[in-house]
Amino acid sequence: EADIYQTPRYLVIGTGKKITLECSQTMGHDKMYWYQQDPGMELHLIHYSYGVNSTEKGDLSSESTVSRIRTEHFPLTLESARPSHTSQYLCASSESSGRLNTEAFFGQGTRLTVV
Amino acid sequence: AQKITQTQPGMFVQEKEAVTLDCTYDTSDPSYGLFWYKQPSSGEMIFLIYQGSYDQQNATEGRYSLNFQKARKSANLVISASQLGDSAMYFCAMRGMRAAGNKLTFGGGTRVLVKP
Repeated sequence: EADIYQTPRYLVIGTGKKITLECSQTMGHDKMYWYQQDPGMELHLIHYSYGVNSTEKGDLSSESTVSRIRTEHFPLTLESARPSHTSQYLCASSESSGRLNTEAFFGQGTRLTVV
Repeated sequence: AQKITQTQPGMFVQEKEAVTLDCTYDTSDPSYGLFWYKQPSSGEMIFLIYQGSYDQQNATEGRYSLNFQKARKSANLVISASQLGDSAMYFCAMRGMRAAGNKLTFGGGTRVLVKP
C-alpha cells in the first residue's frame, strides 16, 4: 500500500480565500508531482519537484504555487481561490531510479470546491 | 512531446466477460514505458500494469494483460473475467526517456461499468 497522504480529502471554500493542500509521503521519494483533474477527465501535470528546494512548472498553467523544503512534504498553495480552481488535485511521488518502469504512487486526492 | 489517446469514453461489460480498453500513443522518444492505472469513485489512482517499449513479451498481471503493438503505437488493456469491483475509470499513461521530471502523461480515460 502506498504511503502518500493528502489532506484535506474534501474542501469547500469561499472565493478569495488562501488555501494550502497538503501532501506527504514516507517512502523517501525524491520526485513528487501535483496533477489537476476535472471529474471524469484526464490528469494534467501542474507542478513537479526533483527533490528538496527544486520545483518546476508542469504542462498545464496553474495559478497555484508549491514548495519543497523537506523531502517528504510537497504542499500546494492558492493565494486567492476562485471558482475556476474547482477540481480534484492529486499528489504523486516516485523514486529517482531513472528507470522507465518506476511506478508513481498517488495520494487519495483533494476535491476542492470554490464557491 | 508525448500524447496518449483513449477513444472510448465509456464501456459496459457483463460480469465474468473480458473487456479491452484502447490506448494509442505518440512520442519521439526511442525508449518509453506505458502504464495503466485504475481510478475508482473514491478518487485514488491504482497502478495496474507496465509495458516497456523494448519488452519482447506482452505484460501480464493477474487478470490484466497488455496487448502491445509497437508498430501501431497501441497498448490496449485487457481485463479478463470482469468483476463488479472493476467498475472504475481506467487511464493509460506513458513516460518517455527524455520526459522532464520523469513525468507521466495521461490519456483522457475510459469509464468501465460492469453489469451483474
